[in-house]
Amino acid sequence: AQSVTQPDIHITVSEGASLELRCNYSYGATPYLFWYVQSPGQGLQLLLKYFSGDTLVQGIKGFEAEFKRSQSSFNLRKPSVHWSDAAEYFCAVGPLSGTYKYIFGTGTRLKVLA
Amino acid sequence: GAVVSQHPSRVICKSGTSVKIECRSLDFQATTMFWYRQFPKKSLMLMATSNEGSKATYEQGVEKDKFLINHASLTLSTLTVTSAHPEDSSFYICSANPGQGNTEAFFGQGTRLTVV
Repeated sequence: AQSVTQPDIHITVSEGASLELRCNYSYGATPYLFWYVQSPGQGLQLLLKYFSGDTLVQGIKGFEAEFKRSQSSFNLRKPSVHWSDAAEYFCAVGPLSGTYKYIFGTGTRLKVLA
Repeated sequence: GAVVSQHPSRVICKSGTSVKIECRSLDFQATTMFWYRQFPKKSLMLMATSNEGSKATYEQGVEKDKFLINHASLTLSTLTVTSAHPEDSSFYICSANPGQGNTEAFFGQGTRLTVV
């Protein structure tokens, strides 16, 4: 069965420090992978996506993610975190075959210390 | 990118009343839209798939009589929470996909429903 796992529920980093959010997936075929960010009380904004090709993808706001097929992972990284990056981050896989459905991980809440 | 607008962003209603939430694709047509519910500190759970011109497809465990979905046009889907109760309080988010090979889903801003 398809699934997405985000092992870290909460992460706290200091402003200026580097960040890595983990995402592991289970999917029968080559997945389409996404990272979304949700600020408090807001909808979801797409940070980046991977469909094919270069396994290191660049996104908005200085984020990047690397697809590693051997590890079934799609971890999100940022070299230097800003206070405005504090939010909830969701990894997602989809769409499921024949549909436009997506499966989301449980999310990682990022706290940034000044 | 494509824009999906959701309205209202927040609503408070009394227990027993019904609430309608709208999801509009502003610059593309969407034959299919999706409604998600987000519980506190939880991920997004797909509730139903809204199909233009036909009945919605509900996920297992979602009460179709409680959550009425209408997709009357290619740019509008509505979710009506009927006879709302406090346990229906949640954050509801819709998404739409332009289709035609576009695999990215575009999300609305979400609606915070509070039933008192």
